[in-house]
This record gives sequence, structure tokens and C-alpha cells, in this order.
Amino acid sequence: DAGVIQSPRHEVTEMGQEVTLRCKPISGHDYLFWYRQTMMRGLELLIYFNNNVPIDDSGMPEDRFSAKMPNASFSTLKIQPSEPRDSAVYFCASSPNPYNEQFFGPGTRLTVL
Amino acid sequence: AQTVTQSQPEMSVQEAETVTLSCTYDTSESDYYLFWYKQPPSRQMILVIRQEAYKQQNATENRFSVNFQKAAKSFSLKISDSQLGDAAMYFCAYRRTGGSGGGADGLTFGKGTHLIIQP
Repeated sequence: DAGVIQSPRHEVTEMGQEVTLRCKPISGHDYLFWYRQTMMRGLELLIYFNNNVPIDDSGMPEDRFSAKMPNASFSTLKIQPSEPRDSAVYFCASSPNPYNEQFFGPGTRLTVL
Repeated sequence: AQTVTQSQPEMSVQEAETVTLSCTYDTSESDYYLFWYKQPPSRQMILVIRQEAYKQQNATENRFSVNFQKAAKSFSLKISDSQLGDAAMYFCAYRRTGGSGGGADGLTFGKGTHLIIQP
């Protein structure tokens, strides 16, 4: 299995621009998670999906952030408009059920200038 | 809300020696899972070991073992025969089980411990 796939690996953009991060979970995994990692706040859960349905988005920092999962093999995290404080590494992870560990993608390093 | 605390921002150990990384957590749940993840400079998050709270026996994976003290809410990681490839950030993480409402929460992470291996 290819594991969790994220794209792009690196993204540099200017303040005010729209950013879209993409994730392909491991086939057969029903749970998909988006995390953000910063030096100040560490790893934080942003949102997670079960069977393509958003279950808990309480970690989404503000309305500028949105996430979708149109099908079982694809999810996006969008930031519009982006701000310098959004600079972080964004991880996508998937899990086959509530009882297993989560498998992480390689992350997207986002830099907002 | 659950919290996970790693009190050692950085640890250093000689190659081939043993090192223990500390983790404590706070929860009102009785059933949950605990994990140690490793993050090398490549930033990939790699599972090291997992522990189910209902199991009294401590988990082991080759050179890695845990000391799980449920009453004390402590979950330390012991690395035996340290190798240069063990150098990384190590994160302790908590995940509750489905509970009566079902579903699954995401992982709650500690702030991490930077492990340095001295050759």
C-alpha cells in the first residue's frame, strides 16, 4: 500500500491567497484526520471525517479554514484568505476504525509570506 | 478535556545505552489508547508502540517497551540499546475509545521530547 498521500509537500504563498491542501487516505480506512503542527502549539487536531462525513470540526481555527471529503479517497483542506500565522506543517492521517493507530501522511509545509 | 504532558523537552543518551522518556496524561475516561510516535527530521510521523488501557500487560516492540501505570496516569517509553537511527522527536499521544456515543476522537499529543543519541 502506498500509505497516506499528501500534496503538495511544500507550499509557499502570499498573504491573502487561497491555499488548498490535498490528501488521499489509505484505501479501506473509514476515518480521516487533519492536524496542524507548529512550534508554539505542537500537534493539534483540526477536523476529522468518518465515512466522508465531518464529525468534529471544533479544532478548525476560524472560518477561513474549510475541509471537504467528497469521496472515500480524497479530502481537501482549504485556507482562504491565508495569513502568515497559518504557516505550519499540515498532516493528514487515516485509520481503519476507532481502535487502531492513525497512519500519517508526509505532511505539507505551508509558508505564508 | 484530555491533556498529555511530556516534561522532558530534550534527552541525550549514549549509543547502546537505555533511555526512558516520560509521559503523563489526564482523562476521566476509563477506556482509551496510548501511543508513542517518532518524528525524525524527515517529519514523517511513525508509530513506535501502542497500549490499550484495559490491558495490564505493558506493550513491547523489539527494543521499545512501555511502563503503563494506569492509576498514576503515566505512560513512559523505554528504548534499550539506543541506536543512532533512534534520534528524533518522540510524541506521546492519547485517543479515547468510542464510548457510549461511538465514534472516534483524534489524537491528543504531548509537546514532544527531542532525543539525541551520542555516538
